[in-house]
Amino acid sequence: DARVTQTPRHKVTEMGQEVTMRCQPILGHNTVFWYRQTMMQGLELLAYFRNRAPLDDSGMPKDRFSAEMPDATLATLKIQPSEPRDSAVYFCASGVSGTDNEQYFGPGTRLTVT
Amino acid sequence: GQNIDQPTEMTATEGAIVQINCTYQTSGFNGLFWYQQHAGEAPTFLSYNVLDGLEEKGRFSSFLSRSKGYSYLLLKELQMKDSASYLCAVALYGQNFVFGPGTRLSVLP
Repeated sequence: DARVTQTPRHKVTEMGQEVTMRCQPILGHNTVFWYRQTMMQGLELLAYFRNRAPLDDSGMPKDRFSAEMPDATLATLKIQPSEPRDSAVYFCASGVSGTDNEQYFGPGTRLTVT
Repeated sequence: GQNIDQPTEMTATEGAIVQINCTYQTSGFNGLFWYQQHAGEAPTFLSYNVLDGLEEKGRFSSFLSRSKGYSYLLLKELQMKDSASYLCAVALYGQNFVFGPGTRLSVLP
């Protein structure tokens, strides 16, 4: 049963600390997406990779957020320094480009910054 | 900019039919998706329309009119477990999605 996995599932940290979230896409998928979801803003796309290359990170605050894919089995989203307004659920999703365009979501990381 | 509208909340009765509407104005269009999201869980795929018309999948159907920038999700024979948020998403190009705000559906006994 292929699934997207994300770690950690929950993270509580203090303002100013670095936060790293990890995602393992489904094996064979070549697109990876990072989303942030809050009650006020809904689901917002932060970054989008295809074949490990960043295609769109226009939704990501560049001064504190960074997204990378060190290899095809790992995507990371880093916040440094974190702020209380970063508190949200961060979802990773993966898919296969050129097919039905469906995205498969991971369980999310619930981040609380105090 | 991109704009997707959905009603914020809807309520329906178990066994009934409900239609959730979505209107969109986007700079590109490569298909429209509906996702279901239960509270505290990840979104899961329900349906995909890229051509005009109705797509049926069991109790769920989705309709698309590209000329009107309009879609709806039809849920039949509602069950309590259908209480969830329903997200409309437009693929701008490739898999670059813009999600709507979601419609929270409550199914009452």
